[in-house]
Amino acid sequence: ELVLTQSPDTLSLSPGDTGSLSCRASQGVSNDYLVWYQQKPGQAPRLLIHGTSIRATGIPDRFSGSGSVTEFTLTISRLEPEDFAVYYCQYYGNSPVLAFGGGSKIEIK
Amino acid sequence: QVQLQQSGPRLVKPSQTLFLTCAISGDSVSTNSAWIWMRQSPSRGLEWLGRTFYRSKFYHEYAVSVKSRITFTADPSTNQFSLQLTSVTPEDSGVYYCARGNRRLGMAFDYWGQGSLVTVSS
Repeated sequence: ELVLTQSPDTLSLSPGDTGSLSCRASQGVSNDYLVWYQQKPGQAPRLLIHGTSIRATGIPDRFSGSGSVTEFTLTISRLEPEDFAVYYCQYYGNSPVLAFGGGSKIEIK
Repeated sequence: QVQLQQSGPRLVKPSQTLFLTCAISGDSVSTNSAWIWMRQSPSRGLEWLGRTFYRSKFYHEYAVSVKSRITFTADPSTNQFSLQLTSVTPEDSGVYYCARGNRRLGMAFDYWGQGSLVTVSS
């Protein structure tokens, strides 16, 4: 069973800071199917990054994704007030190989 | 612009059946997208329940955790897909989402329904 472990649980930052979130896979996975979502309270998740590093339509370039095999990173540069949210990584391989990480929250310091 | 509109009861009694529908606009349930059901709760986090997809006919795949209790259907005439979960318990409470898996994006979920807060309680 594939397990995605996200860290840290919570990151306290100020607007303008840069934040990096980690997603570690329990086994090697394909870059093509590693995805990041953002979720705000009371809202559905929003697609940010697919294929490890490809920004979804309308996502600003301060969001970037990187990594390979078992280690993946979401970096948010120049944090804006609207970026304070929970971020999830996801892997969607051949069904039923689908997993979500437990989420990382970026909160205002 | 794709939109997914969820409907269904919000309060279900234990042992009864939960039925939710997701109406699609801006796409078709019969395209090569995947139509996803998810749920989210504090205890389980985000949980994939399964998917429906069309490849000459409809196929349904279910998460192991709910496979014995869940059934998906798709209706091209109304452009909707639905979830039926039987024998619900309070553990099935949470926010249920439908979403689209976009094949061009490696099946990433690019559009989501608004979410349905389901409570299982007598």
